[in-house]
Amino acid sequence: DGGITQSPKYLFRKEGQNVTLSCEQNLNHDAMYWYRQDPGQGLRLIYYSQIVNDFQKGDIAEGYSVSREKKESFPLTVTSAQKNPTAFYLCASSIPVAGPGANVLTFGAGSRLTVL
Amino acid sequence: SQQGEEDPQALSIQEGENATMNCSYKTSINNLQWYRQNSGRGLVHLILIRSNEREKHSGRLRVTLDTSKKSSSLLITASRAADTASYFCATDAYTGTASKLTFGTGTRLQVTL
Repeated sequence: DGGITQSPKYLFRKEGQNVTLSCEQNLNHDAMYWYRQDPGQGLRLIYYSQIVNDFQKGDIAEGYSVSREKKESFPLTVTSAQKNPTAFYLCASSIPVAGPGANVLTFGAGSRLTVL
Repeated sequence: SQQGEEDPQALSIQEGENATMNCSYKTSINNLQWYRQNSGRGLVHLILIRSNEREKHSGRLRVTLDTSKKSSSLLITASRAADTASYFCATDAYTGTASKLTFGTGTRLQVTL
């Protein structure tokens, strides 16, 4: 089945450690995204990538880094510079489904990061 | 930044009733989308309405868009317990290839038997 796989589902980290969240898609989508969701909040965009080897900062990129070496993969590293990393992280991909300018996102199941 | 603001923040109805949730946004948009999120899960796309459309239907869903008031509404008719979830509107600032969807804070819908 086509979809987006995020791993791990749950992750615990000590303060000062970097952690990497995995996101893999087999939908052949060009664009991929990382969002952060805090309790009772909407989603905030961290980074997005339109094509391989290219990515742009979203609204809250500080303390995060990404890479896009393969079309299928868009890992997110939460660095020690991120002051409040405990959150639910969602990866998504997209393809225009209704002509140009109408990208619909397909989401993974999410990764919940807790800093101890 | 949060572009959309949903209203109400929480809604509790009985099965069979209709549920209406509203979304307001601040800047011009290319399209507006509604997503659903079950607790602790990823979001699922429900419906997209373009800026030149006023109303759209999909099964039990009806979406309206008023660009002059910068607002949208999602109506779920004949609600079911399985409709219990959070619903988010998202406005689309299309940048060429990728969409920069900006999500609102969501409406938590509880449908009771």
